[in-house]
Amino acid sequence: KNEVEQSPQNLTAQEGEFITINCSYSVGISALHWLQQHPGGGIVSLFMLSSGKKKHGRLIATINIQEKHSSLHITASHPRDSAVYICAARYGNKLVFGAGTILRVKS
Amino acid sequence: DAMVIQNPRYQVTQFGKPVTLSCSQTLNHNVMYWYQQKSSQAPKLLFHYYDKDFNNEADTPDNFQSRRPNTSFCFLDIRSPGLGDAAMYLCATSAGQRNGYTFGSGTRLTVV
Repeated sequence: KNEVEQSPQNLTAQEGEFITINCSYSVGISALHWLQQHPGGGIVSLFMLSSGKKKHGRLIATINIQEKHSSLHITASHPRDSAVYICAARYGNKLVFGAGTILRVKS
Repeated sequence: DAMVIQNPRYQVTQFGKPVTLSCSQTLNHNVMYWYQQKSSQAPKLLFHYYDKDFNNEADTPDNFQSRRPNTSFCFLDIRSPGLGDAAMYLCATSAGQRNGYTFGSGTRLTVV
């Protein structure tokens, strides 16, 4: 069964802190996606990874294929980063979603 | 800007009254998806089109149908909405396995 596990489920941080969200998945993925969803809003694609590391602004995503693990890091976190962060594994033409991490950054 | 547009943003329908949600894209992506997302849950795939080929998930209720008349448009029809169908409905597109996803802003459906 294709599964995606994400941790932590909830995360509260102080502004400026370095944040890490973790994701593990089962074999056979073609890519790993990190998505962001604000309350009541649509989903924004942050990264698509099949290997290595990607960086965009204060966001960094890494993937370790051997360990079937990916991490999303946020450096110098800000209250506007507060959102749900979702890891999703792509199997063929389908995405399997993790449960999401609710991030709240306090000022 | 190329994008995925969902209309309406909010939809209220009566119990049992058919409702249609629409999605359009200017990206010319060949794959289009409909997801249902209930409160505090992950999105659940209902079906997807690969070009004109329709792919239904095994656990998608028969009450849910979809149409894709052309590359740009995809519709979600709920034939007899029940209270349990109240959710956010998300449309997404992709150009294929090696490409990312683009999501619409979603339609929040309320059933009264």
